[in-house]
Amino acid sequence: DAKTTQPNSMESNEEEPVHLPCNHSTISGTDYIHWYRQLPSQGPEYVIHGLTSNVNNRMASLAIAEDRKSSTLILHRATLRDAAVYYCILRDIEANNLFFGTGTRLTVIP
Amino acid sequence: EPEVTQTPSHQVTQMGQEVILRCVPISNHLYFYWYRQILGQKVEFLVSFYNNEISEKSEIFDDQFSVERPDGSNFTLKIRSTKLEDSAMYFCASALGRQNQPQHFGDGTRLSIL
Repeated sequence: DAKTTQPNSMESNEEEPVHLPCNHSTISGTDYIHWYRQLPSQGPEYVIHGLTSNVNNRMASLAIAEDRKSSTLILHRATLRDAAVYYCILRDIEANNLFFGTGTRLTVIP
Repeated sequence: EPEVTQTPSHQVTQMGQEVILRCVPISNHLYFYWYRQILGQKVEFLVSFYNNEISEKSEIFDDQFSVERPDGSNFTLKIRSTKLEDSAMYFCASALGRQNQPQHFGDGTRLSIL
């Protein structure tokens, strides 16, 4: 699977938007961009995924650069419950499993 | 909302013993997975299972490990002759399909080998 690069950690104030970046310069045409998060003492949790167009769901938005070499996960209004490690994962359309990196640890400040 | 459930939440076992970790995937899901996370390290893929057979496995998943779906609801991971380095969180996941279907994870079993 192609490699992704994320900052090790980020901080956000509660109730403010958060933009979590991910670089994936070697992405291939059949790679989807998936985001998962892992809250403390829990298993990973699916957040969102996309291919080329920006995506929105009840949890977050995913903004994908036109050249697909980077993407940004947007939490519109951070809550304390959003404090977690966020993983950006490239997953080929034919791939069965997920390859997790080290992710970005998001701290939400009250 | 349906959940993946794992039991036990914490398992303590003597080195050399066999251990079975249990998972109940979401009922209409067809693809099943085991991952592990050693303390402070990445989540690592172990094995995927579909149609009552292993569809893919990692280098970690050697002869010490086996998986089984003994009935219509449970999915188990067996680790034989446990070693100290098997101590980790083990996560079960399930998915409705394979291609770009989200994987739903349980909260894991913490395995401690003494």
